Amino acid sequence: NAGVTQTPKFQVLKTGQSMTLQCAQDMNHNSMYWYRQDPGMGLRLIYYSASEGTTDKGEVPNGYNVSRLNKREFSLRLESAAPSQTSVYFCASSEPLSGERQPQHFGDGTRLSIL
Amino acid sequence: AQSVTQLDSQVPVFEEAPVELRCNYSSSVSVYLFWYVQYPNQGLQLLLKYLSGSTLVESINGFEAEFNKSQTSFHLRKPSVHISDTAEYFCAVARRTGNQFYFGTGTSLTVIP
Repeated sequence: NAGVTQTPKFQVLKTGQSMTLQCAQDMNHNSMYWYRQDPGMGLRLIYYSASEGTTDKGEVPNGYNVSRLNKREFSLRLESAAPSQTSVYFCASSEPLSGERQPQHFGDGTRLSIL
Repeated sequence: AQSVTQLDSQVPVFEEAPVELRCNYSSSVSVYLFWYVQYPNQGLQLLLKYLSGSTLVESINGFEAEFNKSQTSFHLRKPSVHISDTAEYFCAVARRTGNQFYFGTGTSLTVIP
């Protein structure tokens, strides 16, 4: 049981380059999330998808786009990377959509450096 | 929006000593509460959760947390820590409606031999 899988695990980009972070979950969860983690700031929500076909902005969406490709996959795209986007990115999923809220399951993270 | 406050950014404690990691949240509505642990270079793992029922919840590795509605707190405690408990701990809150989770800034627990 893989849970939440993120690729790549590490990436170095130059300013202005673009890339897509991939996330897939095999738990049949409806909701998926992208966070960034920076020292002293905890986890900040970038975007989330409550269900297949929907996406919503979180706390820090500027500079990012997302795609909920299907129920399993939720990708995060940096169109023009900036040094301020150097961070560790985590994908998470949770279920159910309504009723008693269950905790999130996290991937191992993508460590992204923008030079 | 919710806010979650973890007042202690770093907590050093000697092995076998007790520890309390504090978490306070602001909310005018009912919430679910969680503690996550993060080991170096790993993602977050659920440590324990409060959804309903008993206000004292326990994890399998000796941690416990108590939901205090009047003080809007969910402090994490362990009576005797081990070296292996060294990690970053995050408190999180989710409203009973909606889809977002709100995280504190984390507490780095260092257990000293």
